Amino acid sequence: NAGVTQTPKFRVLKTGQSMTLLCAQDMNHEYMYWYRQDPGMGLRLIHYSVGEGTTAKGEVPDGYNVSRLKKQNFLLGLESAAPSQTSVYFCASSDPGVETQYFGPGTRLLVL
Amino acid sequence: AQSVTQLDSHVSVSEGTPVLLRCNYSSSYSPSLFWYVQHPNKGLQLLLKYTSAATLVKGINGFEAEFKKSETSFHLTKPSAHMSDAAEYFCVVRVSGTYKYIFGTGTRLKVLA
Repeated sequence: NAGVTQTPKFRVLKTGQSMTLLCAQDMNHEYMYWYRQDPGMGLRLIHYSVGEGTTAKGEVPDGYNVSRLKKQNFLLGLESAAPSQTSVYFCASSDPGVETQYFGPGTRLLVL
Repeated sequence: AQSVTQLDSHVSVSEGTPVLLRCNYSSSYSPSLFWYVQHPNKGLQLLLKYTSAATLVKGINGFEAEFKKSETSFHLTKPSAHMSDAAEYFCVVRVSGTYKYIFGTGTRLKVLA
């Protein structure tokens, strides 16, 4: 099992450009999450999904959109990137009642 | 609202000495609490979790944590530090009634030879 994978691993964007981060999990988990990690701030929840076709906002959703068209994939979109979105993005998945989140290796995004 | 506070942003210990990483929580309900570890340039891995069973929770790699309701604490300990324990550690609480999680700001553990 690959677990949770994230694509790409690293990306540089110019302000105003758009991009999509892909998260895939092969554990058949119901729940998926997108976090951003910034120095001194821990991980903050951007959006999450409790099942295929459903998404919900987390703590810091502004400037991001998500989609969960397939159970195994969770996409994070930036429509118009801003320097404040420079961060490391982590995807995670889990199952109801198990309470263990499995994390991907992260995507490092730099917005110039 | 639930929250967690990690009291130290950096902790340094010598190899072979005990480790104590402190976490206080705020919750009106009986919380679900977790410790995750992040090694450099890696994703996060669950160390242990408390979900209202035994108050002393044992995790992987010799770590354990004790849930103390009277002190609203969930400190992480290990009797003897190893060089491979050098990493960042996050205390996490689940928001009651949801499957959203709130992370602490992290404690970076340095292990000195």
